Amino acid sequence: GQSLEQPSEVTAVEGAIVQINCTYQTSGFYGLSWYQQHDGGAPTFLSYNALDGLEETGRFSSFLSRSDSYGYLLLQELQMKDSASYFCAVRRDDYKLSFGAGTTVTVRA
Amino acid sequence: DSGVTQTPKHLITATGQRVTLRCSPRSGDLSVYWYQQSLDQGLQFLIHYYNGEERAKGNILERFSAQQFPDLHSELNLSSLELGDSALYFCASSGQGGETQYFGPGTRLLVL
Repeated sequence: GQSLEQPSEVTAVEGAIVQINCTYQTSGFYGLSWYQQHDGGAPTFLSYNALDGLEETGRFSSFLSRSDSYGYLLLQELQMKDSASYFCAVRRDDYKLSFGAGTTVTVRA
Repeated sequence: DSGVTQTPKHLITATGQRVTLRCSPRSGDLSVYWYQQSLDQGLQFLIHYYNGEERAKGNILERFSAQQFPDLHSELNLSSLELGDSALYFCASSGQGGETQYFGPGTRLLVL
């Protein structure tokens, strides 16, 4: 089977840095994605890692360690608009996808 | 705007009924994915179609079925509806690699 674990909630102040960890157990791992979802909205793609290392896109970065079955999403210079749910998702080589339960990030002034 | 369209936006129906949800992918995308998101839950992958053919199946109930048509739009059919089927249903599309998925606005289904 497959499983993904990520923290359920994180709270931080504006301007801070937040790291959301994601550990996974799956066979046929292909890549790890991150999505952001605001209340009632559609998920939007943030980043994708297929190889070990760090991918940086503006204030957001994502990291993957295939040997540790672990990844994280780093949110820097937090802004109020970053308050949302963040999901990690594993894609397998048979095209099946699994999403984590999501991490609710609350940014306080 | 992701470029993915879904209709209807809202649907209210009764238990035992059947409904059809429709999705049009972004121009040029051959892959369509369907997801279910219940209240305060994560996204459950249901099914993936690529260029008209089923490519992967997730936790899709036997009462649910989907297809992708030659014009690449897709429909998700939900039958013998139960109260627990009330959820947000998202469609997403992607290019061949599937690394980046673009989600539609979703269809909110309420089964009474």
